[in-house]
Amino acid sequence: QVQLQESGPGLVKPSATLSLTCTVSGGSISSYHWMWVRQPPGKGLEWIGYVYYTGTTNYNPSLKSRVTMSLDTSKNRFTLKLTSVTAADTAVYYCARDSAVLPRVFDYWGQGALVTVSS
Amino acid sequence: EVVLTQSPGTLSLSPGERATLSCRASQSVATYYLAWYQQKPGQAPRLLVYGASSRATGIPDRFIGSGSGSDFTLTISRLEPEDFAMYYCQQYGSSSWTFGQGTKVEIK
Repeated sequence: QVQLQESGPGLVKPSATLSLTCTVSGGSISSYHWMWVRQPPGKGLEWIGYVYYTGTTNYNPSLKSRVTMSLDTSKNRFTLKLTSVTAADTAVYYCARDSAVLPRVFDYWGQGALVTVSS
Repeated sequence: EVVLTQSPGTLSLSPGERATLSCRASQSVATYYLAWYQQKPGQAPRLLVYGASSRATGIPDRFIGSGSGSDFTLTISRLEPEDFAMYYCQQYGSSSWTFGQGTKVEIK
């Protein structure tokens, strides 16, 4: 059973860089698109972007200038970096996997990591 | 970017009743790439329906997806206590994904 687990600081200062890691267990990071999705408190879901196992990335245009994603196949994990954060970036951040079997849906999700932007 | 608008924002119903959730896209969406997720408080979303009408593994047959073009519907034929939750539609196109803002199904 594939499992995803987010990790990283729960508190980030304004203007700093948010960094999160998603560690994948029970399966290989190869051959999939790996996603980041966020959810501000009490609000809906926002797709942030993906990193493909080849290293190819694609980001939500609204965040593109501040987002970088990468992966480490040797450690079976991938990372999200979001620069110049503000309070509006406070959210639960989920990592997820794009199913290779079903059409462009997210079949496995991490439990989510709350990141608060505050001084 | 395709904008998905879900309605109503909140649906207040009793167990055993039928729930009808709407998802309308700002432009035509490939039916193959329209999905629905359920999210309960403190949990990650769970895939319910993909390809507009196919249920994911383990999803009860009371969850029925339908629609095409820019209008899609998720129907829960008879609400069970565990069905009271948030529901999101999602679409994929041009190498990106968008979600609707969600519909909350609450106990009346």
